[in-house]
Amino acid sequence: TQLLEQSPQFLSIQEGENLTVYCNSSSVFSSLQWYRQEPGEGPVLLVTVVTGGEVKKLKRLTFQFGDARKDSSLHITAAQTGDTGLYLCAGATRGSTLGRLYFGRGTQLTVWP
Amino acid sequence: NAGVTQTPKFRVLKTGQSMTLLCAQDMNHEYMYWYRQDPGMGLRLIHYSVGEGTTAKGEVPDGYNVSRLKKQNFLLGLESAAPSQTSVYFCASSYPRVGARGEQYFGPGTRLTVT
Repeated sequence: TQLLEQSPQFLSIQEGENLTVYCNSSSVFSSLQWYRQEPGEGPVLLVTVVTGGEVKKLKRLTFQFGDARKDSSLHITAAQTGDTGLYLCAGATRGSTLGRLYFGRGTQLTVWP
Repeated sequence: NAGVTQTPKFRVLKTGQSMTLLCAQDMNHEYMYWYRQDPGMGLRLIHYSVGEGTTAKGEVPDGYNVSRLKKQNFLLGLESAAPSQTSVYFCASSYPRVGARGEQYFGPGTRLTVT
């Protein structure tokens, strides 16, 4: 059973379009991270959100943590070819003292010129 | 800082052979993890360690063993490789923080093929 469900699994868009990726769960998380992974490399942390309702922006990327801390979204404005990659959400459950993260299966984003 | 490094980057094994994957981190992190990544499956935790000399099972531990003899190193062993263990293996580390923010730092991965 996957603790975090990501959607869509695949996304193929033209440069300049906007997109949103979703990460949903029935569990509450103390924090949620978003990672981006490029081919042949390990995931790289983009952002961490810890407060319900929190919104963080990283240039054209906007991350939101749900009010109940059960879900999150990643919105990309005016996508560029450099945004291509696998986007992974990962959550740390409340009370965890072991640093363990639960990962979603990822959204493979392809941005065409 | 090199961050998290993994050796080797690629390896091909025959069924039944054994091997050890080495992970090293220079960030003085307490926690270290081994994951496997398969298409459409995301990252699945194999084993993890919360400190030198301690290890624990993750969600897919069967067929793997680990050791953490030094704080900076975390070894993943395959005693008798099987084709089902063909995968990309990632090591990660993190520093324990109040509130368990859980940010992890990943190595570049080892691509293992078992024939």
